[in-house]
Amino acid sequence: DAKTTQPTSMDCAEGRAANLPCNHSTISGNEYVYWYRQIHSQGPQYIIHGLKNNETNEMASLIITEDRKSSTLILPHATLRDTAVYYCIVRIRGVASYDKVIFGPGTSLSVIP
Amino acid sequence: ETGVTQTPRHLVMGMTNKKSLKCEQHLGHNAMYWYKQSAKKPLELMFVYNFKEQTENNSVPSRFSPECPNSSHLFLHLHTLQPEDSALYLCASSQEGLWGMHEQYFGPGTRLTVT
Repeated sequence: DAKTTQPTSMDCAEGRAANLPCNHSTISGNEYVYWYRQIHSQGPQYIIHGLKNNETNEMASLIITEDRKSSTLILPHATLRDTAVYYCIVRIRGVASYDKVIFGPGTSLSVIP
Repeated sequence: ETGVTQTPRHLVMGMTNKKSLKCEQHLGHNAMYWYKQSAKKPLELMFVYNFKEQTENNSVPSRFSPECPNSSHLFLHLHTLQPEDSALYLCASSQEGLWGMHEQYFGPGTRLTVT
């Protein structure tokens, strides 16, 4: 599976859009990009996933570059409750085998009042 | 509230004790997972059960013993643990055990301290 790199931490002002980048330069054609987040003292929560088209749901938007080597998760109007660690994961969809480490270190997003 | 519950939420045990962690999902899912999250380390997948059959065991020491009696319940039996096993143990479930086909729903975790 392709490796991802994310900034260690980011700040965002409350009410502004939070743009979280993820680099996955070795992504292969059948690998999807997934985003999860983990609020302190809770389990991770699924946010969104995509293959090559941009995706949007009630939580966020996912923008994937045309060459698929990077993507950006956008939280359109960040609130204090969005303060969390955000994980970008690149994996083939539908496989039954799992690596030991699926969720990397992620980006710690702090939403500032 | 994700539909996945874990008990106990906190557990302190000595190295010679035997204890069990319990996970229950109320979502009708067929796959369940155990993860370990240590301080300053990435989340690590320990075990995967798909339709009650264990499909993954990621080199986990035998002092951790999983049990999945049915698709709704998952246990992690602990014995003769080491202090380095202190961590947050998370349970998750998904509709089936194929990565990414369905999102995983996580429980709140059990904070385990081994003294």
